[in-house]
Amino acid sequence: EVQLVESGGGLVQPGGSLRLSCAASGFTVSSNYMSWVRQAPGKGLEWVSVIYSGGSTYYADSVKGRFTISRDNSKNTLYLQMNSLRAEDTAVYYCARDVYSHGGDYYMDVWGKGTTVTVSS
Amino acid sequence: SYELTQPPSVSVSPGQTARITCSGDALPKQYAYWYQQKPGQAPVLVIYKDSERPSGIPERFSGSSSGTTVTLTISGVQAEDEADYYCQSADSSGTYPQVVFGGGTKLTVL
Repeated sequence: EVQLVESGGGLVQPGGSLRLSCAASGFTVSSNYMSWVRQAPGKGLEWVSVIYSGGSTYYADSVKGRFTISRDNSKNTLYLQMNSLRAEDTAVYYCARDVYSHGGDYYMDVWGKGTTVTVSS
Repeated sequence: SYELTQPPSVSVSPGQTARITCSGDALPKQYAYWYQQKPGQAPVLVIYKDSERPSGIPERFSGSSSGTTVTLTISGVQAEDEADYYCQSADSSGTYPQVVFGGGTKLTVL
């Protein structure tokens, strides 16, 4: 069964750091595009970052320079390192498997259940 | 930055047809995708490439595209279809495609 399980969320003070993990089963992370998407309380979905199968990484402007996406092929796990956290980073963070569509476009066909990050003093 | 515009809410009675629109300037050139999200749950893909339906998604869900607007249609709405629905596309105007989500539409089944 194809599955994604996120972990690592929690309460952190502004300016702090957190690393999220997303363990995959039923498919190979490194063979797919993989994304992080977040959802602030009561708000809509916001794309955060993607890592292509070839290893290229891209970020939303709101997190560029603060967040780093990576993967461990031996553990079949995706990560999101979050530094310099702000109150506005408070959200449920989902990892998702992406499907390449065309012209670099892609969509999310499998989602994890999410992990909650709260940034507050 | 590129935006996708959805109505905040749509209400229908059971058995009726619900239509949720999503507008964006690049939609004539880019595919649209639709996700259903129920409270406390992760999003689920219900339509891809404008009108394709993933396996396991009921046939009452369909998608269409016309110019700068794409539409998710739910025929014979059931109570279990009450959820938030998000469209998604790509902003390819920059150096790399960025995923863009619409603001979401809350579907209420009366």
